[in-house]
Amino acid sequence: GQNIDQPTEMTATEGAIVQINCTYQTSGFNGLFWYQQHAGEAPTFLSYNVLDGLEEKGRFSSFLSRSKGYSYLLLKELQMKDSASYLCAALDSNYQLIWGAGTKLIIKP
Amino acid sequence: ETGVTQTPRHLVMGMTNKKSLKCEQHLGHNAMYWYKQSAKKPLELMFVYSLEERVENNSVPSRFSPECPNSSHLFLHLHTLQPEDSALYLCASSQDGGGSYNEQFFGPGTRLTVL
Repeated sequence: GQNIDQPTEMTATEGAIVQINCTYQTSGFNGLFWYQQHAGEAPTFLSYNVLDGLEEKGRFSSFLSRSKGYSYLLLKELQMKDSASYLCAALDSNYQLIWGAGTKLIIKP
Repeated sequence: ETGVTQTPRHLVMGMTNKKSLKCEQHLGHNAMYWYKQSAKKPLELMFVYSLEERVENNSVPSRFSPECPNSSHLFLHLHTLQPEDSALYLCASSQDGGGSYNEQFFGPGTRLTVL
């Protein structure tokens, strides 16, 4: 079957760095998405990786290893507003998104 | 109005009620989606419409009935729901419905409680 695994919850300190991991098993692969979802709000797009390597976008970076079925989202210089759930989703061979359950990130002062 | 809007934001209904959720996108997209989001579970894709035709129905119970009158509007008609249907219902849109990479843009969701 198709599956996405990511930690349920993580805690980090304001100003620090946190890495949220995601592993995926899909029928075929056409890329991996990260979305951010604040409580009570819509998920919003953060990144898309289809090639191996690191994509940097400001304080956020996303990494992909296709051979390992692995991705991570790296958040630097954490701010209180980064407290949110982070959703990992892989695009399978039918271009259907397979979603993880999300990682709730708690930022402490 | 910009992006994807959903109404109502909150809905409480009894098991015998009939209600409808509405979604509207102002992005000129051709595909629209309904998702169910339950606590600590992955997003569940319910329906996909591309150019107003349904292309995906992931074995959703018939008590959920979608309607897509045009590419900008999507409805989810609800009747005789069960308490386990209580969840956040998210609408999303994308440029195309499949066969290519498509970033999906989400609405804020309708928080549904079934008593």
